[in-house]
Amino acid sequence: DTGVSQDPRHKITKRGQNVTFRCDPISEHNRLYWYRQTLGQGPEFLTYFQNEAQLEKSRLLSDRFSAERPKGSFSTLEIQRTEQGDSAMYLCASSFPGLAGGRSYNEQFFGPGTRLTVL
Amino acid sequence: GDSVTQMEGPVTLSEEAFLTINCTYTATGYPSLFWYVQYPGEGLQLLLKATKADDKGSNKGFEATYRKETTSFHLEKGSVQVSDSAVYFCALVIPLYRYKLSFGAGTTVTVRA
Repeated sequence: DTGVSQDPRHKITKRGQNVTFRCDPISEHNRLYWYRQTLGQGPEFLTYFQNEAQLEKSRLLSDRFSAERPKGSFSTLEIQRTEQGDSAMYLCASSFPGLAGGRSYNEQFFGPGTRLTVL
Repeated sequence: GDSVTQMEGPVTLSEEAFLTINCTYTATGYPSLFWYVQYPGEGLQLLLKATKADDKGSNKGFEATYRKETTSFHLEKGSVQVSDSAVYFCALVIPLYRYKLSFGAGTTVTVRA
């Protein structure tokens, strides 16, 4: 399978614990994104990497959240001191710049997500 | 900021019915537009895209036309099947300037046999 993979698929934790999620993008993709999706809503952008550089972070990404992409390959998203409001599906996506109709576009391929439940 | 508004659901249809899901957008640049689909228990998949005005994206019998004058990208399918039951998301991105996808809230579609 050459798609985006995420691990774990499900995580249940107690409030106050730290959790870490991993994302492995499609191998030739240099861009990687993290999104969060809560029930009944569309995904919301968290952060974006181009190669190993973290270029943009949403205001949703509080100080308790940190993301890394060492060596520009896989990425990790860590949440410290989890809160019940952190319960959500965390999605990873990757992309490579492309052209269509003479215009650049940014087709992002999504992984299956990690569902976090904070008790 | 950039935002997407799509028709609220849920939508329930009979097989072979016509499906339309409305999507309008607000963007500070010239967006590319997408429809993503999320089947039960699966991840988001790109359904179709359009990168410039008047482009028509199509896939699996679904179509959407990029209408810049009405800032819309409505999704249509002429004859739905039970297998089309899913959540559909409209999304936009501003290429070259902002790389994040901005999604609508999603529309749940259920097709009954």
